[in-house]
Amino acid sequence: ELKVEQNPLFLSMQEGKNYTIYCNYSTTSDRLYWYRQDPGKSLESLFVLLSNGAVKQEGRLMASLDTKARLSTLHITAAVHDLSATYFCAVLQGAQKLVFGQGTRLTINP
Amino acid sequence: DADVTQTPRNRITKTGKRIMLECSQTKGHDRMYWYRQDPGLGLRLIYYSFDVKDINKGEISDGYSVSRQAQAKFSLSLESAIPNQTALYFCATSDPQGAAYNEQFFGPGTRLTVL
Repeated sequence: ELKVEQNPLFLSMQEGKNYTIYCNYSTTSDRLYWYRQDPGKSLESLFVLLSNGAVKQEGRLMASLDTKARLSTLHITAAVHDLSATYFCAVLQGAQKLVFGQGTRLTINP
Repeated sequence: DADVTQTPRNRITKTGKRIMLECSQTKGHDRMYWYRQDPGLGLRLIYYSFDVKDINKGEISDGYSVSRQAQAKFSLSLESAIPNQTALYFCATSDPQGAAYNEQFFGPGTRLTVL
């Protein structure tokens, strides 16, 4: 059974700092997805990582995938308040289903 | 207009009542999903459907049923609601073709409270 674990689950940081969210998963998969959720809102797709070594960047966020280590990272550079949200990773199980991590609640303070 | 819509957006009901949550999509996707979200547990899959004739149970299907009325419509029913079904429910769609294989697109959610 595929298990997906994120850490940390809660992260409070100051504007301007850098930090990384980690997503570990337990069985082989070569598809990983990152989503953002604002309080009371739906999930917004951020990145789709389709192969080992994939790296994608959008603004201050950069995601990478290491399928051999079963690890993805979401790196935040020079954080700004607007990035405060909950971030989820999700891993494709077989060809059919996504299994989600618990989410990382990120709070960025001025 | 939103690509994936859910109705109702909020619902309060009593224990034992039958409740139906509806999902419609205009993305033309064949695959549709129902999830529930509870604090600290992420999203858990209830049911999924890959076409009108294909319905599959997810990890937490007990107490729920679904109906795929058309490619664009996928409904979730709680036959006899209980308080621990209080949660935020999301519908999602995906397209297995193309570069973003199985990327899922989510509706706005339905907040259900069972008293």
